[in-house]
Amino acid sequence: GDSVTQMEGPVTLSEEAFLTINCTYTATGYPSLFWYVQYPGEGLQLLLKATKADDKGSNKGFEATYRKETTSFHLEKGSVQVSDSAVYFCALSDRTDSWGKLQFGAGTQVVVTP
Amino acid sequence: SQTIHQWPATLVQPVGSPLSLECTVEGTSNPNLYWYRQAAGRGLQLLFYSIGIDQISSEVPQNLSASRPQDRQFILSSKKLLLSDSGFYLCAWSAHSGKSYEQYFGPGTRLTVT
Repeated sequence: GDSVTQMEGPVTLSEEAFLTINCTYTATGYPSLFWYVQYPGEGLQLLLKATKADDKGSNKGFEATYRKETTSFHLEKGSVQVSDSAVYFCALSDRTDSWGKLQFGAGTQVVVTP
Repeated sequence: SQTIHQWPATLVQPVGSPLSLECTVEGTSNPNLYWYRQAAGRGLQLLFYSIGIDQISSEVPQNLSASRPQDRQFILSSKKLLLSDSGFYLCAWSAHSGKSYEQYFGPGTRLTVT
């Protein structure tokens, strides 16, 4: 079945550092890919998405490119802030699944220090 | 715009007591609806999903049940809570049809079973 693997955390970095969170996927079809962010005590927020190969999703300074050849969707941000401290989830959906279920990675905690 | 509500926000219940968590969506019709559980420091576990009234599927057999009495209302219940039911419960919705099935999450309910 479809699955998502993302790098384990916690990832600890200083303010203004470059952030990369690796995400790879396994899917039989042509999935849509997502990054969600969860701040402490809150629900998940959709951060960005990409629906086809070579699409780049971007939002709030974060970017991720749908790479079909490497089955990857790595999240990047050029200069993180303390407010970016959160747990980040990579996810995919199979467009042929009418139930619209998402497969989530295990989540990566990011801690940004001043 | 669409909004999703969950209540209560927090709940402390003794073992063996019943449970009812409610989720409602506004601003859309015929959404797909989902219940997830997130144990402390862990990833997301899909519990139930629904594509319409009386169309509910369970992902994990356990002492929880779900119902959808109205198009935009999704209820998670238990007759007798277990200690292992403690966690953060998240409701989500997605459009019933579309290209990418991104899900939008509610603020969550923190359940502690004592």
